[in-house]
Amino acid sequence: KAGVTQTPRYLIKTRGQQVTLSCSPISGHRSVSWYQQTPGQGLQFLFEYFSETQRNKGNFPGRFSGRQFSNSRSEMNVSTLELGDSALYLCASSPGGGGKGSGNEQFFGPGTRLTVL
Amino acid sequence: DQQVKQNSPSLSVQEGRISILNCDYTNSMFDYFLWYKKYPAEGPTFLISISSIKDKNEDGRFTVFLNKSAKHLSLHIVPSQPGDSAVYFCAAPNAGGTSYGKLTFGQGTILTVHP
Repeated sequence: KAGVTQTPRYLIKTRGQQVTLSCSPISGHRSVSWYQQTPGQGLQFLFEYFSETQRNKGNFPGRFSGRQFSNSRSEMNVSTLELGDSALYLCASSPGGGGKGSGNEQFFGPGTRLTVL
Repeated sequence: DQQVKQNSPSLSVQEGRISILNCDYTNSMFDYFLWYKKYPAEGPTFLISISSIKDKNEDGRFTVFLNKSAKHLSLHIVPSQPGDSAVYFCAAPNAGGTSYGKLTFGQGTILTVHP
């Protein structure tokens, strides 16, 4: 089975621009979660989608948004980029989204490294 | 409010010895815990998990211990190998009910295993 894939792997943008990141989950997984990793804040949960619905949301401003398609692929969008948005953005998929219980762990993609200049 | 804490930013051990990575949590509603390993330029890889109904779970060289009264868990790697050198994160799914895909992570511990 192919793992979680994320595109692009690297991205450079300037302040004020917007960006869209893409995630393809493991086949059969219906839940996709997004995380932001920065040196100062560590790994922070952004949001989770299950069957095209956002089920859970972290403490990020409305500039961060996402969606999920019927094939479970997901995108996240960041509008009006700020310097502080520079980070590694990680996508994780799991069968049921819980993260609890054997067989329901989240599997992570390699991430998209976003640099905002 | 950091609900999952890894107070040791780094740990250095010799090959063949035991590595012990520690994690503390403050939210008593957490009932499941996971450990992930992360290499540079890669996403975290799931290692091992434990439910709060257990106090120990083993998988090969990896054992996780849970002390609910102390709100503390630890990951033991025996014997340690140079390939184990990575950042280790402990994490807990959203407290209470269905966790809906939210993991709360500790800050991570950089493990270096010297040959």
